[in-house]
Amino acid sequence: GAGVSQSPSNKVTEKGKDVELRCDPISGHTALYWYRQSLGQGLEFLIYFQGNSAPDKSGLPSDRFSAERTGGSVSTLTIQRTQQEDSAVYLCASSLAQLGYEQFFGPGTRLTVL
Amino acid sequence: SQQGEEDPQALSIQEGENATMNCSYKTSINNLQWYRQNSGRGLVHLILIRSNEREKHSGRLRVTLDTSKKSSSLLITASRAADTASYFCATDAHGTYKYIFGTGTRLKVLA
Repeated sequence: GAGVSQSPSNKVTEKGKDVELRCDPISGHTALYWYRQSLGQGLEFLIYFQGNSAPDKSGLPSDRFSAERTGGSVSTLTIQRTQQEDSAVYLCASSLAQLGYEQFFGPGTRLTVL
Repeated sequence: SQQGEEDPQALSIQEGENATMNCSYKTSINNLQWYRQNSGRGLVHLILIRSNEREKHSGRLRVTLDTSKKSSSLLITASRAADTASYFCATDAHGTYKYIFGTGTRLKVLA
């Protein structure tokens, strides 16, 4: 079946612009995660959704970052007033349940802020 | 701060040798997972070990977990050039549903 998909694969934007990144999780996966990975670094947790529960937003670096998950499926990560330090690969992952299950990762969106 | 820290940061070995990488974490966990990332296939799950398990095997992979030392190791036996990748451990902080990834070990297997 289809894996996790993300769009766009690459996004180049100018400083100060808003961007929206999309994630389509695997059908039936109730948990969805967003991570950020800077060049040569590990993954930085951003936000977690589980079913209809309130999301865990504890990893969002500033109030310029927000995310939503509509209908328990597709998720959108929005970055407002982008800064150069936002440049990174943004990875989305989904899993069957919140604990004890492997995460399936999408290919990521490479964001470059000029 | 990072929950998991891998060491070494980089490792270079000859094909056929074994590769060992370690992960240390800070708080109690429910389980620990290892992932591999290479440019061709992105991030892929390798193995999960639960906090009540001490050792787990999957093919050429062997993972150990020592909860008293808050550490885990990943051993890849009889390495192949295709094992060249970055390897990350991921832990869930006990009581939360989020996974924290370590900084990764960059493994290079020379043919």
